Amino acid sequence: DAGVTQSPTHLIKTRGQQVTLRCSPISGHKSVSWYQQVLGQGPQFIFQYYEKEERGRGNFPDRFSARQFPNYSSELNVNALLLGDSALYLCASSVGGNTIYFGEGSWLTVV
Amino acid sequence: ELKVEQNPLFLSMQEGKNYTIYCNYSTTSDRLYWYRQDPGKSLESLFVLLSNGAVKQEGRLMASLDTKARLSTLHITAAVHDLSATYFCAVDIKSGNEKLTFGTGTRLTIIP
Repeated sequence: DAGVTQSPTHLIKTRGQQVTLRCSPISGHKSVSWYQQVLGQGPQFIFQYYEKEERGRGNFPDRFSARQFPNYSSELNVNALLLGDSALYLCASSVGGNTIYFGEGSWLTVV
Repeated sequence: ELKVEQNPLFLSMQEGKNYTIYCNYSTTSDRLYWYRQDPGKSLESLFVLLSNGAVKQEGRLMASLDTKARLSTLHITAAVHDLSATYFCAVDIKSGNEKLTFGTGTRLTIIP
């Protein structure tokens, strides 16, 4: 079975641009969450969605937004990119809140 | 605000030795997770601990949870080089909340 899949795997953007990251959860998983991991640190929670509804939001500015689609896939959007947004963006999915599985991530570099 | 602290931050140990990584957290929690991360890679789930006194083992790794002390440990037995990685604990305050707060990570290096 496919795990959590994310795209793109790597991308480079310029300050001020906008980026969209995509995530497909494991089949049957209705919960999707997003994390940002800056180099050398632990992941930081950004959003959680369940059945297309936002269930939680971390301490991130309004430039960050997300949504979940009827097929449970999800997109994370970041507007007006800053250099500090450079990070690994991880998507995770779960069913029932036990084991939470992470995708391989999207490496974002802002120049 | 929930705080999760791990120690040590860096650990260099010889093959064959035993050691323990500690994870302390500041608020009552329903569940605790341990993950492994190799350089440039994503997070691999190791253990989910769901109740006080829970102990789980997989190969040379064993994790335990003491919710009263707000402490989890990850014990490594007879370390081998393949265990070199960064290990994170993460806490979920509310069951099913799935808003994980991660510790700082412990970078483990096993020396042959």
